[in-house]
Amino acid sequence: AQSVSQHNHHVILSEAASLELGCNYSYGGTVNLFWYVQYPGQHLQLLLKYFSGDPLVKGIKGFEAEFIKSKFSFNLRKPSVQWSDTAEYFCAVIPIQGGSEKLVFGKGTKLTVNP
Amino acid sequence: DGGITQSPKYLFRKEGQNVTLSCEQNLNHDAMYWYRQDPGQGLRLIYYSQIVNDFQKGDIAEGYSVSREKKESFPLTVTSAQKNPTAFYLCASKRAGTENTGELFFGEGSRLTVL
Repeated sequence: AQSVSQHNHHVILSEAASLELGCNYSYGGTVNLFWYVQYPGQHLQLLLKYFSGDPLVKGIKGFEAEFIKSKFSFNLRKPSVQWSDTAEYFCAVIPIQGGSEKLVFGKGTKLTVNP
Repeated sequence: DGGITQSPKYLFRKEGQNVTLSCEQNLNHDAMYWYRQDPGQGLRLIYYSQIVNDFQKGDIAEGYSVSREKKESFPLTVTSAQKNPTAFYLCASKRAGTENTGELFFGEGSRLTVL
């Protein structure tokens, strides 16, 4: 079965610092990849997604992620974080095969941005 | 506004009691999901349903039951057989036909505490 690993449980940064959150997945076939974000007290929402094409995808609020197929990775980046980026971030994958409906999430990375 | 409504937001239960969590959506989505979120564990799939009157077990279905009598509703019952029911429960939905390219829409969650 596929699995998703997020390397950091809790990341603490100061405003304007650069961010990179790691995500690796284990699955031999082709997958679609997602990053979801959960701001304090809010719904989990989609940040960005990758299906095919340019491996560098841009999402909302200045976030981007790069898919590196050879490394089975989909790391999330932001050049300069803000206090409002404080949230929990989840990487997720779904295999492209036979209409699978099962999205598999990583354990999440909690980001705290200090003003 | 279209969205997913979960109720109650907070629920306390005594050991040995069953409890039912409500999930209603007015997005006209065919597929609905129940996830459990524990600190440091990410989201784990309990049950999902792709169509009315049909549902499938997820990765941690033991001790839970669901029904899907209406397209809009997908209630989750946490039974007394669930050994560790204290958790945050998230309901989600997705448009049919989007298969593995679709975005999940989440409710605000229900926090269940067993006393």
